[in-house]
Amino acid sequence: NAGVTQTPKFQVLKTGQSMTLQCAQDMNHEYMSWYRQDPGMGLRLIHYSVGAGITDQGEVPNGYNVSRSTTEDFPLRLLSAAPSQTSVYFCASSSTGLDYEQYFGPGTRLTVT
Amino acid sequence: LAKTTQPISMDSYEGQEVNITCSHNNIATNDYITWYQQFPSQGPRFIIQGYKTKVTNEVASLFIPADRKSSTLSLPRVSLSDTAVYYCLVGDSSASKIIFGSGTRLSIRP
Repeated sequence: NAGVTQTPKFQVLKTGQSMTLQCAQDMNHEYMSWYRQDPGMGLRLIHYSVGAGITDQGEVPNGYNVSRSTTEDFPLRLLSAAPSQTSVYFCASSSTGLDYEQYFGPGTRLTVT
Repeated sequence: LAKTTQPISMDSYEGQEVNITCSHNNIATNDYITWYQQFPSQGPRFIIQGYKTKVTNEVASLFIPADRKSSTLSLPRVSLSDTAVYYCLVGDSSASKIIFGSGTRLSIRP
């Protein structure tokens, strides 16, 4: 199993551009989530999903959209990139819930200039 | 909303036992306590989870007193490879209550 995969590993955007961060898992997990981690800080929950077709907001959802059309994939869309969105983005999945064991991807390092 | 408080950093030496304490005074009845480890440039990795008393697995032990207002992660006989940031989380099935906090930066010296 590949576990949780994320693409791209690195991305540089200009202010106002849009893009999609990809996340996929091959463990048939129902729960998936997106976090951002700013330098020296802990992770903050952006959006999460409890199954295909179901998504909800986390702690810092503004400026991001998600959808969950399949169990495997959970893309994160940046609508109009801002320098404040410069961060490392982690995707995670879990079979039992966000408060139980989550498996994290390797992260995407995003810089917005 | 259950917030956690941990020491910002700790230092220890190879072969020692390391105990990292986490305070969570507002923990709710249904909340579990979960610890993650994060190496630089990697995503967090689950270490251990518990609800009360003591939980042990192959890498760590988790001690939770009866009032559940704190918990202690115990790493036996640490090595250089245990140098990482350790996060204590509390939360229930409501995802919006999952907060990582700033974690404890553990440095292990030879």
